[in-house]
This record gives sequence, C-alpha cells and structure tokens, in this order.
Amino acid sequence: QEQLVESGGGVVRPGRSLRLSCAGSGFTFSAYAMHWVRQAPGKGLEWVAVLAYDGSNQYYADSVKGRFTISRDNSNNTLYLQMNSLRAEDTAVYYCARDPTPFGGLYLGIDYWGQGTLVTVSS
Amino acid sequence: SNELTQPPSVSVSPGETARITCSGDALPQQYTYWYQLKAGQAPVLVMYKDTERPSGIPYRFSASSSGTTVTLTISGVQAEDEADYYCQSADISGTYPFGGGTKLTVL
Repeated sequence: QEQLVESGGGVVRPGRSLRLSCAGSGFTFSAYAMHWVRQAPGKGLEWVAVLAYDGSNQYYADSVKGRFTISRDNSNNTLYLQMNSLRAEDTAVYYCARDPTPFGGLYLGIDYWGQGTLVTVSS
Repeated sequence: SNELTQPPSVSVSPGETARITCSGDALPQQYTYWYQLKAGQAPVLVMYKDTERPSGIPYRFSASSSGTTVTLTISGVQAEDEADYYCQSADISGTYPFGGGTKLTVL
C-alpha cells in the first residue's frame, strides 16, 4: 500500500541548514505532485510547499519563500526539503504528503501523509 | 487575501449536529477541503471540492457553502469524531493555505 516515510529531522541551531527526505513506496511516485506541510508544537497545520510530478513547478508559503527549496528524485522515489537560514519559528513536525494529481489541474486535496519528522531549531 | 478563519473550538453532545465554519474572502472563487486530525495520527481528508466526500468517509459528514463561509457539518456526532478539523483552500497563486483549525469536543 501507499507509504511515505520522512527522515532527516533533528535539532539544529538558528541560521543553519537541514535537509529532509521523504521516501515514497507502494505507488508510482513520479506520477504525483508532492507537498510538505508542518505543524509547530501546539499549533495548527501550515502548508509549506508543493512540487509538480516532474519538478517543473513549485510554490511556497510566504513564511519559507527564499529559504526553503522543495525538490525530488523520481528515479529514487524521494522528495526533499532543503531548509536554509532556519529560525526558531521553523520548529515543527514536517509532513510529506501526496497530491492525487500531477499538478496544474483541479486540486483534489491531499490523500496520503507520512508520519512526520520533528525539526527543532534551538541554540 | 487567502487567509482562512475557523472557530478555535466547537462542543457538542453525542448524537447532536456539529457545525464547523471556515471563512475567507476568496472562498467564493476557490474550493475548500477539510481534514480531520487526531493525536498521533496522520490527517485524513474528509471533504474535497467544497462538498465531495472521499470514499470511506461516513455519510454523517457533509458540507455547504454560502458566500465567504463554508461549513462542515457532522450529523449524529460520535465519540470517534472528536478531533481537530482544518479547512484548506487552493489559492490561485499556487499555494494551499490551511485555516487555524477547530477542536471538536464530544461532551
């Protein structure tokens, strides 16, 4: 069955970088757009970024634009989130999530989520 | 603005009807999506394209839209429905913002 497994979280100092990975399995990874969504401790869900099935289009939340980069390696069924210039407010559980479409057409919501990886930004 | 506003909490007794609203200026031009989030679990999509219910979601979940407000309705609430509920929209800018979330408490 469809599975998404995030990795790469941990504790990092403000201003440093971290790269998250998300391994997809049980489906044709290269056919779907992918999202990153985060949830800070005690807070709500925050959409972070989306990447089209072929990497041709990506969009970001204003809060991370210019600091985070979403990318993918379809040959290895892996999604990435490169996070630079990290701030305390980036502390959150980061979820990898599948869009049931390739991207660009009608959005149908997110149908599969990983279990998340915790990123803590602290000195 | 693509900001979505939800009430922080809603409380109902078992068997009653829960209504959770999501308001946003752009909602008349955008579809709304709803997710259920329980502690320790991944979010579950319970409504998409305003009023479409994914397969496997109970019939007691429905939604309606009026102007700048979309309402998720849970009829005959059950204890298992206690969770946080988030609305989301698909903005024309290519972003997908969430509302602040509503904690549904089943008394």
